[in-house]
Amino acid sequence: QSVLTQPPSASGAPGQRVTISCSGSSSNIGRHAVTWCQQVPGTAPKLLIHSDNQRPSGVPDRFSGSRSGTSASLAISGLQSVDETDYYCAAWDDSLHGWVFGGGTKLTVL
Amino acid sequence: EVQLVESGGGLVQPGGSLRLSCADSGLTFSNNWMTWVRQAPGKGLEWVASIKKDGSEIYYVDSVKGRFTISRDNARNSLFLQMNSLRGEDTAVYYCVSGDHFNYWGLGTLVTVSS
Repeated sequence: QSVLTQPPSASGAPGQRVTISCSGSSSNIGRHAVTWCQQVPGTAPKLLIHSDNQRPSGVPDRFSGSRSGTSASLAISGLQSVDETDYYCAAWDDSLHGWVFGGGTKLTVL
Repeated sequence: EVQLVESGGGLVQPGGSLRLSCADSGLTFSNNWMTWVRQAPGKGLEWVASIKKDGSEIYYVDSVKGRFTISRDNARNSLFLQMNSLRGEDTAVYYCVSGDHFNYWGLGTLVTVSS
């Protein structure tokens, strides 16, 4: 059972907008910024969003993040087939004195 | 550009030890937090341990405390993970990660704990 809760799956049609939620608590998302990583199965993860809503260079602006209270969201607009992969949220946890990840969300592009 | 290459993985019996290494070919190793993240077969990502740029702060996930030791050698741009008393549940791909926000990831090295 992961400390951060993500839906196991999400889906959307090409061109649509989809959001993936990440729910935590006052000891993690309630106090610290959220990071999002993207992982194509069989390959290493890569950073997608950090500090709630900051995109590293090279990440398309179709990807955006937000945080409110003890929850965060990743939004992907203009959905493309290449977006069909796994997404993980993460945050520092003050109670556990470490990073915690969500269980991951598998995105399907219909 | 940061390039991280892990090594040292392999098959080990329960109770055995392994030492993972990560070589960073970039120019900013000594300025970055370094982290080990693992992924068991078919499972999600799990944070294992992190070490501050100068080694003054170290954190572990509870399940590896007392068994794993993270360390770094800034002169050699290298990160290490000494893993002792290995268990079946430690079987995973171990990723070396650079940066405050998991900025750069290595390709990973597979650790299999089995008799």
